[in-house]
Order: sequence, then structure tokens, then C-alpha cells
Amino acid sequence: DIQMTQSPSSLSASVGDRVTITCRASQTISSNLNWYQQKPGKAPKILIYAASSLQSGVPLRFSGGGSGTDFTLTISSLQPEDFATYYCQQSFSTPTFGQGTKLEIK
Amino acid sequence: QVQLQESGPGLVKPSETMSLTCTVFDGSIGSYYWSWIRQPPGKGLEWIGYISYSGSSNYNPSLKSRVTISIDTSKNQFSLKLSSVTAADTAIYYCARRITLGSYLFDLWGRGTLVTVSS
Repeated sequence: DIQMTQSPSSLSASVGDRVTITCRASQTISSNLNWYQQKPGKAPKILIYAASSLQSGVPLRFSGGGSGTDFTLTISSLQPEDFATYYCQQSFSTPTFGQGTKLEIK
Repeated sequence: QVQLQESGPGLVKPSETMSLTCTVFDGSIGSYYWSWIRQPPGKGLEWIGYISYSGSSNYNPSLKSRVTISIDTSKNQFSLKLSSVTAADTAIYYCARRITLGSYLFDLWGRGTLVTVSS
């Protein structure tokens, strides 16, 4: 299995902040990397696919980057509704997810 | 708007087989791949497997010996069976649609159903 490691595991930030979450794959996965947002009691929601493509309907403040083994999810200006847990997921082989990054209000 | 809904028992005894069904509403189950994904309470996500509209399937190697996913296109449903369950199988089980947009992604999810394994 390809292991996905996210950092940090948790993050405190304020409305308006710019935040970046990192995801590292245990082997190269090209651009086969997706990002999801999950709020308490809800199913995950796709934000970014193929490393940097924004899913339809997702605000432009979300962006993704990277290829190979290192990837980032950036939120340019945090809004109150962005406080949630974020997961990366590789689709190069048997799908695996990162352990999650919980974004909390400072 | 296509919606997915999981259904099945919320409590299963250890060593038994759990069964869940996902119904696709307001859309066709055809031409897509359909997955099951689970999440133990307070923990991360684990992909269980998928089935295609034509019936081909693929499972997570860590669960392969215990998992069967089937599809009934006439009912717009697909199902999960997991045998020999233990407390470690207690989780929220999600059904999801897999599509391909440069990579495989899960673009549509059910609300999830909690399955507890306990005697």
C-alpha cells in the first residue's frame, strides 16, 4: 500500500489567515492526488482532484499543488465555514487516505 | 440531483456477517464505479472496495478475504457484505461514486451509516 502522511495533524488559525496543509506519499503517485473536506457528522466532500484541479462549486480560495510525492492544499483566506478536517487521498493504486488535518479556530 | 443512501442493520454480533445496501436515487447506476468506504468513530477513512456497473470488482487487500460487493442494476442498488466481523469493524460506512477526472476520485457520497459490532 502507498502510505499518505499529512502534516500538521492539527492546526489553529484565524479567519482571514492563509493556511497550507501538506501531504506526502510513500512513493511517487504522479498527480493522482485528491483533497476532501469533512465537517462533523457529514460525509467528506471533494475539493481538489488530480492535485490541482478545483472541483465545480468549490470556492477559489482553495488551491492544490505538487506532484510526485509532495502535495499541498492551500486556503488563501480562511472563512468560518472552512474549519473542518481535511484528507488527502491517492488514486495511483489501491486508494489510501492521509490521517487527516483538523483545522480549528484560534 | 443524484443522491446515495445507505441502509442496513446498525448492530451486528461478533463473528457474524454484516450487510449494507446503497440505493442510488434520481440517477442511473449505469456507467459508473461504486465504492464503499468506512471510518471508525473519530478516525480516518479506509477504502473497502468498488464494483462497476458491469459487475467487475476490486477490494482492499487488507479486507479482501472477508468482503463481497455486488450490484443490482434493476434496483439501482449495490451492496456490501463483510464476514467474520469484530469490534475493529465498528465504523461509519459510506457508499460513494467513483469518477475519473484526470485521477480517480469520489465525487458523491451517502450520509453514512454507523455499524456497531457488539454482542
